[in-house]
Order: sequence, then C-alpha cells, then structure tokens
Amino acid sequence: GAVVSQHPSWVICKSGTSVKIECRSLDFQATTMFWYRQFPKQSLMLMATSNEGSKATYEQGVEKDKFLINHASLTLSTLTVTSAHPEDSSFYICSASPSGSQSEQFFGPGTRLTVL
Amino acid sequence: RKEVEQDPGPFNVPEGATVAFNCTYSNSASQSFFWYRQDCRKEPKLLMSVYSSGNEDGRFTAQLNRASQYISLLIRDSKLSDSATYLCVVNSPGSSFGAGTRLTVKP
Repeated sequence: GAVVSQHPSWVICKSGTSVKIECRSLDFQATTMFWYRQFPKQSLMLMATSNEGSKATYEQGVEKDKFLINHASLTLSTLTVTSAHPEDSSFYICSASPSGSQSEQFFGPGTRLTVL
Repeated sequence: RKEVEQDPGPFNVPEGATVAFNCTYSNSASQSFFWYRQDCRKEPKLLMSVYSSGNEDGRFTAQLNRASQYISLLIRDSKLSDSATYLCVVNSPGSSFGAGTRLTVKP
C-alpha cells in the first residue's frame, strides 16, 4: 500500500512553544491530506483538510490560528501547533489518499505531543 | 445525530469465537466504506474495504446494506492478535469515523 510518513514521532515541549509536525506521502502525490487528533481512548477527530496550494479547511471548533497548516507541495503537509498548552497534548495523525477522497486513506504513524 | 455510529464496546471474547461489529451511517449518498484496525498508541491501518456484494478476506467478512445504511464486520475463529480497536469509516465524500469498538480476545 501507499506509505505516509510523519515526523517527529513524539515530542515533548514547554508550554508556550510552537511545534511543527510534518506529513509526507512517500510514493504518491496527494493534493489533499487530512489532520486528525486523538485523545486517549477516544476516536479520531478530524481537525482540518489540507489542500495543496490553497488554504486548509478547518472543522468546526478548530482554531486556524492555533493550528497552522501548510501544504506546500504534493507530498508534504505541515501542522504547526502554536503556543502549545498542556490541553494540546494529544496524538496527531495525518492521512492521505492516492486516488482522491473516495478511496481508502493511508495514515502516518502519528505524532505524540506532550506539552509540559 | 452522528454521521457514523458504531457498536459500543468493549467486546471480550474467548479465542476461537466469532464476533460481529455493526456500524450505521446517516448519509444515504455515502459512496465508499472501510474497516480499519487501530492498535493501542498506533495509527489506524486499513483492514478491508466494504463492497456492496460483500467481501471476505480469510477470517474476516465485511458486508454493506445500503437499504438499512449499515456495514458490518465479522471475525471468525478469533485470535489473540485480533485484539484491537476496529473503526468503520464512511466517505460521503469526506471521511467520517465511527468511535471505534474495542475487541479483546482472551485465551
């Protein structure tokens, strides 16, 4: 199957700092990537849809100024958690689909963020 | 109402048991359906797509009922390694995830 990588796999930071997470499609191009957040024992929650060359589409309740998304190329999307706080501690996962939104998604391995 | 509703868990079954999960969806225009498996602290991995005609992959059988708007996953002869959370995903387009059903297979 298609491969999606994510970096870093885990990060610990102090409150108030910003953290950038990268999502790459390694063997296919993805005009659209998705960013999810998952709290312990809860389901994946879609945060935003990242569109190559245009602005991301954010889900209701997700602050676009807090979670900055940049989709600079067909293989790379980045999520920056700005001024992180302990409540932002979570598992962040990206996904992409080689064939558009109707086909299966392939997920990155996730980034575990802990904000102290 | 949530777009995708999934059987509440957890399911605790003995090895060798047959277990079934259901997932209902609200958007009748939904076009594609999938089951994912997620292990603890890992990303979801595609288990199988769900086709209108139903499909089988070894011990796993997935079915789609468009009239009643639900999909199902049947696991036969459960193994310890089947213990995981199973997520249903419905594309409408845009993916909607079920909350996941936790399965624990015990010796």
